[in-house]
Amino acid sequence: EAGVAQSPRYKIIEKRQSVAFWCNPISGHATLYWYQQILGQGPKLLIQFQNNGVVDDSQLPKDRFSAERLKGVDSTLKIQPAKLEDSAVYLCASARGYNEQFFGPGTRLTVL
Amino acid sequence: QKEVEQNSGPLSVPEGAIASLNCTYSDRGSQSFFWYRQYSGKSPELIMFIYSNGDKEDGRFTAQLNKASQYVSLLIRDSQPSDSATYLCAAHFMGNKLVFGSGTILRVKS
Repeated sequence: EAGVAQSPRYKIIEKRQSVAFWCNPISGHATLYWYQQILGQGPKLLIQFQNNGVVDDSQLPKDRFSAERLKGVDSTLKIQPAKLEDSAVYLCASARGYNEQFFGPGTRLTVL
Repeated sequence: QKEVEQNSGPLSVPEGAIASLNCTYSDRGSQSFFWYRQYSGKSPELIMFIYSNGDKEDGRFTAQLNKASQYVSLLIRDSQPSDSATYLCAAHFMGNKLVFGSGTILRVKS
């Protein structure tokens, strides 16, 4: 079974630029999550999808972050405009239900 | 505020010893708990999950849950240098939200 795929793996941008991340979950997993992990901290949930509907986006900074999951499979997370404090690893995870989550390799974002 | 607390460490143990990692959580309504291992520069990987009070064993790993004390622990027997990593505890809160602690760094010295 293929794991969660993410791209790009690394991204360096200037502040105020925009960036987008892509995630392809494990086949058959209805639940998809985007997390932000700042160095030295645990992952923080940004948004949770069940199929193509949003379940929880309470911690998503909606003035600059947006996410979508078209057709209930792939998902994209966008930041526009980026700030210095957005430098982090962005992790995508998927789950068959609401329990065990499996993480992708992550995208390391550096904002200069 | 739904929180999961872990000692950041580092916890240093000699090779072959038992490593004990601890975690507390704030919400009595939490029903399930997860331990993830994260190597430096890698993504978290699931080690174990536990739902019921008591112990759950899987190979060298034992998860312990005490809901009355709101306490979860992970024991690693016969620790190996390859076990050196950050261990993340996570609790499933009402609303299907998984909240992670900040992790405990484990160092196993040969």
